[in-house]
Amino acid sequence: AQKITQTQPGMFVQEKEAVTLDCTYDTSDPSYGLFWYKQPSSGEMIFLIYQGSYDQQNATEGRYSLNFQKARKSANLVISASQLGDSAMYFCAMREDPGGSEKLVFGKGTKLTVNP
Amino acid sequence: DTEVTQTPKHLVMGMTNKKSLKCEQHMGHRAMYWYKQKAKKPPELMFVYSYEKLSINESVPSRFSPECPNSSLLNLHLHALQPEDSALYLCASSPYIGGGNEQFFGPGTRLTVL
Repeated sequence: AQKITQTQPGMFVQEKEAVTLDCTYDTSDPSYGLFWYKQPSSGEMIFLIYQGSYDQQNATEGRYSLNFQKARKSANLVISASQLGDSAMYFCAMREDPGGSEKLVFGKGTKLTVNP
Repeated sequence: DTEVTQTPKHLVMGMTNKKSLKCEQHMGHRAMYWYKQKAKKPPELMFVYSYEKLSINESVPSRFSPECPNSSLLNLHLHALQPEDSALYLCASSPYIGGGNEQFFGPGTRLTVL
């Protein structure tokens, strides 16, 4: 069963506007972590923001904020004041801790295009 | 030094070749990872090393053989690959297992198997 769902294959936004990328997750573990990564066409995965399941406040990192709604199991990424350089694939990922080890499970990604 | 480096950037190999991918980090991280990413798909975990010991093997075929010779280096030895193994291979590291640490990714090696 898919554990991370990103329902938007592609999104378009005008430069300087805000955009929200959706992510829902499924886990029965009370302790988990949620990450957002950006992947430009060059291929490198760039860490953007992290939210722990016990964190009381929504995470923010510069222009990135995470709208964490635990009861709904959603962790949407909000990018404010979009820039042309924000055009990339965006992946939501969840940390799982099977047997003391650790793995990231990624959603299918959302391709964001910022228009001038 | 806050980066993960991977060599080579691109690799083309035949099905009978033996080659190796190399990953290096000098951040003192003790967890290292190999991911495989097919075109237009998310990365999929292959292996996890924790303190130079193999921690997770995600049922990867034996034609992929990981090696962690020291805490800074991670290799992926390739032998008798198939064309469907063509993909972007990403290496990542994190300070240690657990604790919500972000994984730092390298730029990847684009592998083509002919």
